[in-house]
Amino acid sequence: EIVLTQSPATLSLSPGERATLSCGASQSVNNNKLAWYQQRPGLAPRLLIYDTSIRATGIPDRFSASGSGTKFTLTISKLEPEDFAVYYCQHYDTSLFTFGPGTKVDIK
Amino acid sequence: EVSLVESGGGLVKPGGSLTLSCVVSTSEFRFSDVWMNWVRQAPGKGLEWLGLIRSKGSGGTIDYAAPVKGRFTISRDDSRNTVFLHMSSLKTEDTAIYFCAAPTQWELRFYFDLWGLGTLLTVSS
Repeated sequence: EIVLTQSPATLSLSPGERATLSCGASQSVNNNKLAWYQQRPGLAPRLLIYDTSIRATGIPDRFSASGSGTKFTLTISKLEPEDFAVYYCQHYDTSLFTFGPGTKVDIK
Repeated sequence: EVSLVESGGGLVKPGGSLTLSCVVSTSEFRFSDVWMNWVRQAPGKGLEWLGLIRSKGSGGTIDYAAPVKGRFTISRDDSRNTVFLHMSSLKTEDTAIYFCAAPTQWELRFYFDLWGLGTLLTVSS
């Protein structure tokens, strides 16, 4: 079973700044089945990115993602006020879904 | 318009049982074609996938996360657009918000782009 880690745990930035979030896998992700979700307080998660780098429907292009093997990255080019939230990576392999522990992006 | 609505949460004593329901309302796809998942989130914690029930067309197979295998059972009633999560031998650490989640299209079947609002289960004596 692949275990996902995320860093940093908390990222303190100002609106307009660039955010770079990392997701690491304990083994190589060979099937590119990696996603990113955003969760604002009190709300359900929202799918941002799937298959490592494809934006989900309606997701602004300030969100981008890349990666391969054991290292994956979500980038938010210019933080908007609504982007301050918790972000989770998620992987699927061999009938198991796993989430990373999350990165909180908060206002500096 | 698509919605997932969970219900059935509440306060249960340790060792007890409870069944959660998730009703899917949609005219955009057939519920019977959708792989349905349960995901939970303990207070102040991250997301934990619990299990998946595939569509009958995909074999109707069910997979569970290791921590709940043997205690939790997922089922579905396609005639009522409903998926169930039956939980037994509940522990205090099962206290969480329980979400049902699903992919709205086949290419997203390994992800969750549709979520309910969740229902809160509290396990406490």
